[in-house]
Amino acid sequence: GAVVSQHPSRVICKSGTSVKIECRSLDFQATTMFWYRQFPKQSLMLMATSNEGSKATYEQGVEKDKFLINHASLTLSTLTVTSAHPEDSSFYICSAREVAGIFSYEQYFGPGTRLTVT
Amino acid sequence: GQQVMQIPQYQHVQEGEDFTTYCNSSTTLSNIQWYKQRPGGHPVFLIQLVKSGEVKKQKRLTFQFGEAKKNSSLHITATQTTDVGTYFCAGPDRDDKIIFGKGTRLHILP
Repeated sequence: GAVVSQHPSRVICKSGTSVKIECRSLDFQATTMFWYRQFPKQSLMLMATSNEGSKATYEQGVEKDKFLINHASLTLSTLTVTSAHPEDSSFYICSAREVAGIFSYEQYFGPGTRLTVT
Repeated sequence: GQQVMQIPQYQHVQEGEDFTTYCNSSTTLSNIQWYKQRPGGHPVFLIQLVKSGEVKKQKRLTFQFGEAKKNSSLHITATQTTDVGTYFCAGPDRDDKIIFGKGTRLHILP
């Protein structure tokens, strides 16, 4: 099946610094990628939808100036957590949608990035 | 907004017993998807159901989509230790963004 990679898998940073997370679709093109956040033992919460060549669409309550998303190519989307704080510590997961047909919405998830802000 | 609810939140079963998780949407869904997330892992796509009343099987897993396309279930027959994990249902909202249920965490007792 389709493969999505994420880098880094784990990152520890100090409060106030910025962290960039990369999401790549390795063997398919993804015009749309999604960024989720998952707190321990909770469900995935959609943060934003990343569209290649256009601005990302953020969900209500997600600060677009804090979580910068760039989708520069059909295989790469990046999420930058700016001025990170301890409450931003979470598991960030990206996914990419492979359009296999009009009614197919298969999403392939990356392995996730565990961010710890100290 | 649209809500996708899942029950139960947790389920402990003896190995070999059956397991079922239920998913309900506040609105009619064009399709519903199921994902499995192993402990420490990321969600893995299992299946997508599109048609009203659709039933699909994958070995010991049976997926159903309700007639009204507002509910769905996942049934596992004769659970094994490899079935451990959290099972999420998810459906698209009116903007085609995927909304996830809270998941059902399955724990297998040996």
